[in-house]
Amino acid sequence: SQQGEEDPQALSIQEGENATMNCSYKTSINNLQWYRQNSGRGLVHLILIRSNEREKHSGRLRVTLDTSKKSSSLLITASRAADTASYFCATDPNRDDKIIFGKGTRLHILP
Amino acid sequence: EPEVTQTPSHQVTQMGQEVILRCVPISNHLYFYWYRQILGQKVEFLVSFYNNEISEKSEIFDDQFSVERPDGSNFTLKIRSTKLEDSAMYFCASSDSLGSKKLFFGSGTQLSVL
Repeated sequence: SQQGEEDPQALSIQEGENATMNCSYKTSINNLQWYRQNSGRGLVHLILIRSNEREKHSGRLRVTLDTSKKSSSLLITASRAADTASYFCATDPNRDDKIIFGKGTRLHILP
Repeated sequence: EPEVTQTPSHQVTQMGQEVILRCVPISNHLYFYWYRQILGQKVEFLVSFYNNEISEKSEIFDDQFSVERPDGSNFTLKIRSTKLEDSAMYFCASSDSLGSKKLFFGSGTQLSVL
């Protein structure tokens, strides 16, 4: 069953604007992570937020987690052309060893 | 910076043939994973491996698939008799801790089954 679902599927914004991507999941989790994937490449870990945390920052990234709504958001502030990529949320359901990825949001930053 | 390496980067094979995809995880990592991604779509979990055995596997990981860690460095995925629908990008990943579960991914092997 699909664990993580990102929303929107695709997003185009002007350089300098903020980009917000959302993720919803179904089961209880230990952690939620966000990854980035440039076209045709492997995924790169961006940030991890634990189930007992509500918000976390890393540079221009801000992640929130609402376990009551089973949702998370990733905010990229002051977007740059180099931020163009696909962004995936990933969850590790309790008692599982696997990490499940969503379908991703394709972010395109317009110059 | 240490990285996960995968070979080959591209593999073309005929339907019904066996393929072995190779991965060298980061040296001090203990948890190993295979994922696949079809045509830039969702990243699908195949299998996780810890302490020389499979810890989790998905429905995709049927009897045609197997994994091995034949020595201290390599981690392989074998598909015994490939099907057209096995065409995908296969990613290997490793993690140093079950607690953090931060995955480090290789660049992938693009498998094309003809």
